[in-house]
Amino acid sequence: DAKTTQPTSMDCAEGRAANLPCNHSTISGNEYVYWYRQIHSQGPQYIIHGLKNNETNEMASLIITEDRKSSTLILPHATLRDTAVYYCIVRVGNTGFQKLVFGTGTRLLVSP
Amino acid sequence: GAVVSQHPSWVICKSGTSVKIECRSLDFQATTMFWYRQFPKQSLMLMATSNEGSKATYEQGVEKDKFLINHASLTLSTLTVTSAHPEDSSFYICSASRSISGANVLTFGAGSRLTVL
Repeated sequence: DAKTTQPTSMDCAEGRAANLPCNHSTISGNEYVYWYRQIHSQGPQYIIHGLKNNETNEMASLIITEDRKSSTLILPHATLRDTAVYYCIVRVGNTGFQKLVFGTGTRLLVSP
Repeated sequence: GAVVSQHPSWVICKSGTSVKIECRSLDFQATTMFWYRQFPKQSLMLMATSNEGSKATYEQGVEKDKFLINHASLTLSTLTVTSAHPEDSSFYICSASRSISGANVLTFGAGSRLTVL
């Protein structure tokens, strides 16, 4: 799986948009971009995934550049409960047996 | 939505005893489940891949005789920490894979915190 690079930490004011970047310059054509987050002392939570097109769900939006070498996770109106470590992972799709390896992620702190 | 139940959520045991952690996919079948461990202030470390009806695949450096994994059905995988010692104290997390629009999404359990005295 392609490696990803994320900033170690970011701050965001409550109510503002949080934009979390991820670089995956070695991504291959059949690899998806996944985002998960882990709130302190809990299991990770799936947020969103995408292949080429931008995606949006009830939690967030995922913007993938045209060359697919980077992406941005957007939390449109961050709340205090969005404080967590966010992981960007690239992984081949349609292979349920393929392991998912976590990097160090971005620690997002949402402040009042 | 998909739910993975993990039990127990926390356990304290004496050194030398064995502890079993269960991971169940409640509303979907999971051919493959994954087990992770996490130490304080560190990222998740993959321990092994659990495949229904076959032997687990362990990551390098993980002792298969110490961390026994059984995946007897499409909804249940178990991790047994045998002869636990204080250094095995950690946060253990399981996950199950499911297909969504061609991608494979992992749903994680809430984790099990093991403390070995």
